[in-house]
Amino acid sequence: GAGVSQSPSNKVTEKGKDVELRCDPISGHTALYWYRQSLGQGLEFLIYFQGNSAPDKSGLPSDRFSAERTGGSVSTLTIQRTQQEDSAVYLCASSPHPNQPQHFGDGTRLSIL
Amino acid sequence: DQQVKQNSPSLSVQEGRISILNCDYTNSMFDYFLWYKKYPAEGPTFLISISSIKDKNEDGRFTVFLNKSAKHLSLHIVPSQPGDSAVYFCAASGDSGGGADGLTFGKGTHLIIQP
Repeated sequence: GAGVSQSPSNKVTEKGKDVELRCDPISGHTALYWYRQSLGQGLEFLIYFQGNSAPDKSGLPSDRFSAERTGGSVSTLTIQRTQQEDSAVYLCASSPHPNQPQHFGDGTRLSIL
Repeated sequence: DQQVKQNSPSLSVQEGRISILNCDYTNSMFDYFLWYKKYPAEGPTFLISISSIKDKNEDGRFTVFLNKSAKHLSLHIVPSQPGDSAVYFCAASGDSGGGADGLTFGKGTHLIIQP
């Protein structure tokens, strides 16, 4: 299919380890977003990329979180020294343009033991 | 503080009847609103949106109504079908679609369509 692809779909890791989550947006979509959904909560916006422009990182929960987008396409979200409160579903979305509806991937379910 | 509120965690509706899902917001800078539908273990799927310059938008069985003075929007589904059973999220943005601030989501309403 031509939807937003995220990998891995599930990740279980020990507290203190680093994890890297990947997002392949829909081809041609310039805008890319990361969100996370904790249990029983709505989606929380983390970071936005427009093409190759440097993102505004102020929405990231802590300095353990970082994200990059290479070549205006694939994006990775990295969490260093994971904590149990990082357990959540991490969702990536893309849109053709910031003023158009976002299309979501199925997410990565991250569990920190 | 929650800027987008969906006060009903769940709603049960009989098949064929109208489903009405409600959403309230507090940020007067929001100018674009969306509804997403989510099945378990899948990402949210875009349903319908409305700009603040309109008060109604219709797409097939789905209609979204916006009352700016009350800071309230609702999603009407008619007639309701079994496949409509899912969690529905209301979302809003202040720059006509998301952009640098992303979308602000409510916590969702679980719609259950009973046969």
